[in-house]
Amino acid sequence: DTGVSQDPRHKITKRGQNVTFRCDPISEHNRLYWYRQTLGQGPEFLTYFQNEAQLEKSRLLSDRFSAERPKGSFSTLEIQRTEQGDSAMYLCASSSTGTGGPYEQYFGPGTRLTVT
Amino acid sequence: KNEVEQSPQNLTAQEGEFITINCSYSVGISALHWLQQHPGGGIVSLFMLSSGKKKHGRLIATINIQEKHSSLHITASHPRDSAVYICAVKTLRGSNYKLTFGKGTLLTVNP
Repeated sequence: DTGVSQDPRHKITKRGQNVTFRCDPISEHNRLYWYRQTLGQGPEFLTYFQNEAQLEKSRLLSDRFSAERPKGSFSTLEIQRTEQGDSAMYLCASSSTGTGGPYEQYFGPGTRLTVT
Repeated sequence: KNEVEQSPQNLTAQEGEFITINCSYSVGISALHWLQQHPGGGIVSLFMLSSGKKKHGRLIATINIQEKHSSLHITASHPRDSAVYICAVKTLRGSNYKLTFGKGTLLTVNP
């Protein structure tokens, strides 16, 4: 297994355009998380899936943001009508589940978004 | 006030020095993570702990649940240890799956 992968690694877009990022978790992990990290800050939670169900969304996730995990495997994060304030590193992580826990989260390399 | 506070924010050391990074949190937690992030890179999990102490190579992590405090120690530091070190906690409030992060400590180890 190659770990959590994210695509693309870098994205430059003009204000007002839509962008979509993809995350492929570790194959046996059924939990998937999206975080956002702005320069000089720690990551902040955006949303979380267990299998295909989106169980929690942060208030940071405005109506312009939507995340899906249609088959419980890979996930996409779409940002519509991008704004300069959306410029950040978008991180994906995955973890396993079962009785007990907590379970360690494994992070992907991130997608760095720059909105010009 | 952030739920997770780290100190110092920036740390510069000479190769070979013993390094300590501190993390304090203000909420009940089920686990605490120490993470490493290189410039422009993704995040690597170093430790997850909920009590006591863990050691991996030159890295040692300790946690005191009663005092709501954790430390990350690096022995015999090396320039390749230069990175941002982030403390993150799984809080007991609400979902116990998402992480709440500190702002990170930027460590620079000079040769």
